Amino acid sequence: GAGVSQSPSNKVTEKGKDVELRCDPISGHTALYWYRQSLGQGLEFLIYFQGNSAPDKSGLPSDRFSAERTGGSVSTLTIQRTQQEDSAVYLCASTQGSGEKLFFGSGTQLSVL
Amino acid sequence: GIQVEQSPPDLILQEGANSTLRCNFSDSVNNLQWFHQNPWGQLINLFYIPSGTKQNGRLSATTVATERYSLLYISSSQTTDSGVYFCAWRSYRGSTLGRLYFGRGTQLTVWP
Repeated sequence: GAGVSQSPSNKVTEKGKDVELRCDPISGHTALYWYRQSLGQGLEFLIYFQGNSAPDKSGLPSDRFSAERTGGSVSTLTIQRTQQEDSAVYLCASTQGSGEKLFFGSGTQLSVL
Repeated sequence: GIQVEQSPPDLILQEGANSTLRCNFSDSVNNLQWFHQNPWGQLINLFYIPSGTKQNGRLSATTVATERYSLLYISSSQTTDSGVYFCAWRSYRGSTLGRLYFGRGTQLTVWP
């Protein structure tokens, strides 16, 4: 695709429900990142994929968070039993390689009521 | 752990003024990028600049890898330059290989 696509753009859910966030990276980009940004804050690293494997999962805040990537393309970030502190903008980014620019999607605004 | 420090944290300018934003790193630089987050939240990649100097219109960036810092210059600032500027450093070794570390950003406000 022309850019990194994320869906949904907005998600409102009730505490305790599970949510899935989707990221479709730029075609041909092998590396994919998930970050989280709370209101007025910086970017918190969650997980990084190189191809379909995730060499660095240490940023996931708890075992309620998981992510996968299939076919070296689309990635899904799943949050189980959502809590109010999970409310944030979840950002996905992709890059063609280690020496290349990183491109971000528009993010998913998650609100947990 | 790796530290990425940005300064100043906040900057307020009159339209037309010039400014310099700084990013310091605690480890050697091999992959350094600058981003602008506009008031609507979209992050735009401004520069990939592991070393040397690059220019793009009114913006330019310089990275001095041996001294572990990078500078972003904004000349003749415009109101559309407002937003948060982030720098990011990519780890190239160990268990964090590939991870990008972001600074806390510089909030720039340009008044007409």
